[in-house]
Amino acid sequence: QKEVEQNSGPLSVPEGAIASLNCTYSDRVSQSFFWYRQYSGKSPELIMSIYSNGDKEDGRFTAQLNKASQYVSLLIRDSQPSDSATYLCAVNVEYGNKLVFGAGTILRVKS
Amino acid sequence: DTGVSQNPRHKITKRGQNVTFRCDPISEHNRLYWYRQTLGQGPEFLTYFQNEAQLEKSRLLSDRFSAERPKGSFSTLEIQRTEQGDSAMYLCASSPLPQDRLSPLHFGNGTRLTVT
Repeated sequence: QKEVEQNSGPLSVPEGAIASLNCTYSDRVSQSFFWYRQYSGKSPELIMSIYSNGDKEDGRFTAQLNKASQYVSLLIRDSQPSDSATYLCAVNVEYGNKLVFGAGTILRVKS
Repeated sequence: DTGVSQNPRHKITKRGQNVTFRCDPISEHNRLYWYRQTLGQGPEFLTYFQNEAQLEKSRLLSDRFSAERPKGSFSTLEIQRTEQGDSAMYLCASSPLPQDRLSPLHFGNGTRLTVT
């Protein structure tokens, strides 16, 4: 089982819709969770960090964490064509001091 | 805060040659990480430093790879006797020391290596 799993997509949503991106992880002791956005040919850019169960909102983005289910998600409200990118879920594992990344979900927002 | 800087941006080399990449982290960040990313995959951890000490190295990392951070500031990643399978984007990231939890990593623009 991979440590961090994401659906590779592509996930296609119309402009203005809510995009929902999901991630599961295998290590029950993970404490730190991050979402990064990566445009083609560019480096990952931090969008959100979340450490506690529940929801965390920042503008159009909401991160949701459920440690019991080992599940973290990212909601993007009012999706824009500029949101089209690959979204990477990253988790620290095994009390480690590094992040393990999922393979990413490709999001396409159609205008 | 000028961000994480990586040089060169692109490197094309022939199989068997050695290459070296440089990373300048955000100045106040104690931690520096190297990752490798291939098409369609997420970044894969290679190694990380806390100040000048190399604290962890991936078990998957070949002996041809070596990294240094001699004065706890910039870092270099060297690949000896390059192979075509080394072609990838090499990403450097830095972060402050964690408090009670891991801080987010801030990535540089990466060095794209092509081995012909």
